[in-house]
Amino acid sequence: QKEVEQDPGPLSVPEGAIVSLNCTYSNSAFQYFMWYRQYSRKGPELLMYTYSSGNKEDGRFTAQVDKSSKYISLFIRDSQPSDSATYLCAMSRGGGGNKLTFGTGTQLKVEL
Amino acid sequence: EAGVTQFPSHSVIEKGQTVTLRCDPISGHDNLYWYRRVMGKEIKFLLHFVKESKQDESGMPNNRFLAERTGGTYSTLKVQPAELEDSGVYFCASSPGDFNYNEQFFGPGTRLTVL
Repeated sequence: QKEVEQDPGPLSVPEGAIVSLNCTYSNSAFQYFMWYRQYSRKGPELLMYTYSSGNKEDGRFTAQVDKSSKYISLFIRDSQPSDSATYLCAMSRGGGGNKLTFGTGTQLKVEL
Repeated sequence: EAGVTQFPSHSVIEKGQTVTLRCDPISGHDNLYWYRRVMGKEIKFLLHFVKESKQDESGMPNNRFLAERTGGTYSTLKVQPAELEDSGVYFCASSPGDFNYNEQFFGPGTRLTVL
């Protein structure tokens, strides 16, 4: 069983839609939860990170973490064609190492 | 400020050959990570340097992989001899400091194809 599960999609939505992306995980030691965006042939780029449970908002993006359910979400409001990319969830225990454990990524396409 | 750079961007080699990948982290970042994504799978951690020391190499698949970071600046990842299953995209990331959490900045990756 993978430590982090993420639906690979693809997910196709019309411009302006609200997008919901999510991951589940099995390792209760994870403390930091990240969402990365990756465009084709580029490296992952950090969108948001959250420590422990709770919500965090940044512009059109909201990240939610529910540690009791081992479930994290990313919401994108008013989606734009430029949001079309692969979205990767990642997690770490924190501390000195901070190695990341990734989900497989969800491919999102926002259509005009 | 320059980001993380990786060279080459793409490498095609025959099974049994040797390939060396290079990563130049962001200047001043003590932490350097190597990750790998094989086709259809998630990005997986390979190892972590703090300056020139290997902090964690628990993700290295076998002894055909050798990573170095001489002088605590750039890093190389050598695969010798390469096997078909080594094909994938190799990412390097760097982060500053020694805190509980540091953002990892990723390079564009090196796409390795072993024929």
